[in-house]
Order: sequence, then structure tokens, then C-alpha cells
Amino acid sequence: EVQLQQSGPELEKPGASVKISCKASGYSFTDYNMNWVKQSNGKSLEWIGNIDPYYGGTRYNQNFKGKATLTVDKSSSTAYMQLTSLTSEDSAVYYCARRGDFDGYYYAMDYWGQGTSVTVSS
Amino acid sequence: EIVLTQSPALMAASPGEKVTITCSVSSSISSSNLHWYQQKSETSPKPWIYGTSNLASGVPIRFSGSGSGTSYSLTISSMEAEDAATYYCQQWSTYPLTFGGGTKLEIK
Repeated sequence: EVQLQQSGPELEKPGASVKISCKASGYSFTDYNMNWVKQSNGKSLEWIGNIDPYYGGTRYNQNFKGKATLTVDKSSSTAYMQLTSLTSEDSAVYYCARRGDFDGYYYAMDYWGQGTSVTVSS
Repeated sequence: EIVLTQSPALMAASPGEKVTITCSVSSSISSSNLHWYQQKSETSPKPWIYGTSNLASGVPIRFSGSGSGTSYSLTISSMEAEDAATYYCQQWSTYPLTFGGGTKLEIK
């Protein structure tokens, strides 16, 4: 069974950094890109970027360049997202989501982590 | 950036009613690159319809999807209480990947 287990909620002060983890199980970690998605206060979904766990190559939404850094640890099948210089605008729920290939052809996010809440407050 | 505009943003339907949610895309995309997700309160989104019209595993057949180019839709043939949720369209044609603003569907 494919599972993406994310780390727990974070409470950070403005200006701090935070690193969220997403541990994958039930499949070959390096075979599927991992995406990260932000959801602010029940609002819509915003794609942050993705990473190829095999090569480590990344692609970012321009809105998150300099804010988010995606990495992986292949030995533990874990993807990470670090957010820096936190402000109240970064308070949100962050999801990792695997890029699946439905029917071996359609790229979509087929498995999602449970979400990690980040609250930025002084 | 491709912008996806969903309508309506909020709607309520009675049990048995037909429901249609639309997703307007700012630039034409291949229908294979348009997907829908369902999200219920306090849970992660779930893939619901992929490639415009293909139901994800476990999705009831009262759901259907259609569209092409810049106009797409999700339809529920007969609303049931369990369908109350927020639905998002998403494009995987061009980076950055983008989502619609969501349609919150409530049961009357």
C-alpha cells in the first residue's frame, strides 16, 4: 500500500526556517517525482514545486523560488521541503503528493500525504 | 502561467439533483492534462477524474467529466450526500502546475 507520511505540525516565529518531511512507503521511491502543494486557510491549492528523487532534479513555481527548497534522502525514502524566512503568509497546510501516471499515460497527483500545518506567529 | 477558473465557487444541490461544475482554462490544453480532485474537510485531496473523463479508482459512476481546449466540466448525474466536498480542477500541461479556485458543493 502506497503511503506518504508527513511530519507533524510546526509553530515557528517570523524569520525562522522549517523543514517538513514526507516519508514514502509501499513503492519504489525513486521511480516517481514528488510534488509539494500549499493550501492556505481552507483556500485553494498552490503548487510549490517537484523533485525527481532519482536524479535530485527540481522544478519550482516562480512564486516559491528562494522560499522553498526541495530535497530527498533516497536511503530513507523521504522527501523534504525547507521553507525559509517565514512570515505570516507562509502559515498554511503543506502537502506532499506523488506524481502518478494513471493508465501509464496521464500525469496526476495520485497519492497525497496527510498534510503538515505550519503556523508562523510571534 | 495557465489560469483555471472554476464556477460556481459555491453551490448546494438536493439529493437526486444533477450537478455541473465548470473549469475554464486560460490557454488551450490537451484534454489528457486536465484532472479533478475531491477534498473533504480536514482531509487531503484525492484524485477524482484524470485526463478529463477517466474516473479514478473507487469513484462512483454517477460522476463524469468532459471537455476540451479551454472548457471542462465535472458532472454528477444524481447528487448524493457523500458527494458534498470541494472539487478542484488542475492542469498538467505547462509548468507551473496550477489548480482552479475550487467549487464547494453542499447538500441541501
